[in-house]
Amino acid sequence: AQTVTQSQPEMSVQEAETVTLSCTYDTSESDYYLFWYKQPPSRQMILVIRQEAYKQQNATENRFSVNFQKAAKSFSLKISDSQLGDAAMYFCAYRSDYNNNDMRFGAGTRLTVKP
Amino acid sequence: EPEVTQTPSHQVTQMGQEVILRCVPISNHLYFYWYRQILGQKVEFLVSFYNNEISEKSEIFDDQFSVERPDGSNFTLKIRSTKLEDSAMYFCASSEEGQGYNEQFFGPGTRLTVL
Repeated sequence: AQTVTQSQPEMSVQEAETVTLSCTYDTSESDYYLFWYKQPPSRQMILVIRQEAYKQQNATENRFSVNFQKAAKSFSLKISDSQLGDAAMYFCAYRSDYNNNDMRFGAGTRLTVKP
Repeated sequence: EPEVTQTPSHQVTQMGQEVILRCVPISNHLYFYWYRQILGQKVEFLVSFYNNEISEKSEIFDDQFSVERPDGSNFTLKIRSTKLEDSAMYFCASSEEGQGYNEQFFGPGTRLTVL
């Protein structure tokens, strides 16, 4: 079964600085999708960025980018120019291309942004 | 912007009682999901639902659980006889398509406390 590991329960970053959140996963599949979700306090999870495993190019969404290393099964999230509104729980998630219904989440990383 | 909504935000119940958690997915979405997150643990997939039937369920989703789409808007999760270990945050999600790349939109969750 696929597992997702986020080894950093908490991270902090200074406003305007850059932070990288780690995520590794375990799978024997070759086709899958990876996601980063953000959950602000008392709010629902929202999608930050996603990556298709067959694409070599790393996904980018404005200040958010990923470093996808398929061979290493690593999918880290980089937040540039951090803002106070980036403070949230961040969840890494894996979704198989063979079983689309089952999304596997990591335990989450709580990001604090210091002014 | 359309959102997934869930009611109630917090439900307290006695062990052995039945509870129904309600969700209103985004109106043009066809795929619906329930997840749960026990305090301090990972978000876990429970069940997915499409075309008025369960398309996938996890080992957590035993006979105590059922889902229903009673009308054109609501999507419910019923726990027949609650146990202490059912205490968790329950998240509903919906997506327009079922393929793996498609974004799942999450509700804010219902916190279930079983006493």
